[in-house]
Amino acid sequence: QVQLVQSGAEVKKPGSSVKVSCKASGGTFSSYTISWVRQAPGQGLEWMGRIIPILGIANYAQKFQGRVTITADKSTSTAYMELSSLRSEDTAVYYCARGEEVGATSPIGYWGQGTLVTVSS
Amino acid sequence: QLVLTQSPSASASLGASVKLTCTLSSGHSSYAIAWHQQQPEKGPRYLMKLNSDGSHSKGDGIPDRFSGSSSGAERYLTISSLQSEDEADYYCQTWGTGSVVFGGGTKLTVL
Repeated sequence: QVQLVQSGAEVKKPGSSVKVSCKASGGTFSSYTISWVRQAPGQGLEWMGRIIPILGIANYAQKFQGRVTITADKSTSTAYMELSSLRSEDTAVYYCARGEEVGATSPIGYWGQGTLVTVSS
Repeated sequence: QLVLTQSPSASASLGASVKLTCTLSSGHSSYAIAWHQQQPEKGPRYLMKLNSDGSHSKGDGIPDRFSGSSSGAERYLTISSLQSEDEADYYCQTWGTGSVVFGGGTKLTVL
């Protein structure tokens, strides 16, 4: 059974950075895409980027280019998302999500429980 | 540009059926999509992958009341025998070369 367990809630100051972790269990970690998706209060789902751990290459949504870094540690089956230069508009629940099928051309099939990041002075 | 369009809201009565629509942008009518459900105050849950020919594969534990179909650039999610717990936001999602796209979501109200 696939499980994605994320790190706990964070409160950050504007201009700082946050790093959220996502530990996967069940299935072969390296072969599936791990995406990061955020949801601002009352808003829809917004894709930020993804990585295929076996390739170690990340793709990012244009909106977040230069501000987000997604990495994966195959030895611990853990993915990370770091967002820098935080502003109040980054207050959101951040989800990690794993592909349903092996490879890049796959729908999201599994979701983490979400991590609330609050940006406030 | 790969875009998914959904109606913001839909409603149907308890026990009835409802059909939600997700429309792919021009030039992308062959793309498969996925449907996800997000109940109030919960995280999203994967429902199914839906191909352009209407074939679909559902996630673990998804009831038979949920089904998918396709016509051209339209992708549909049909929920039959509506229950109160089906009141939720429904998102379609697709993927291109190095990118993932979500529709804006449809808020389903069960009357």
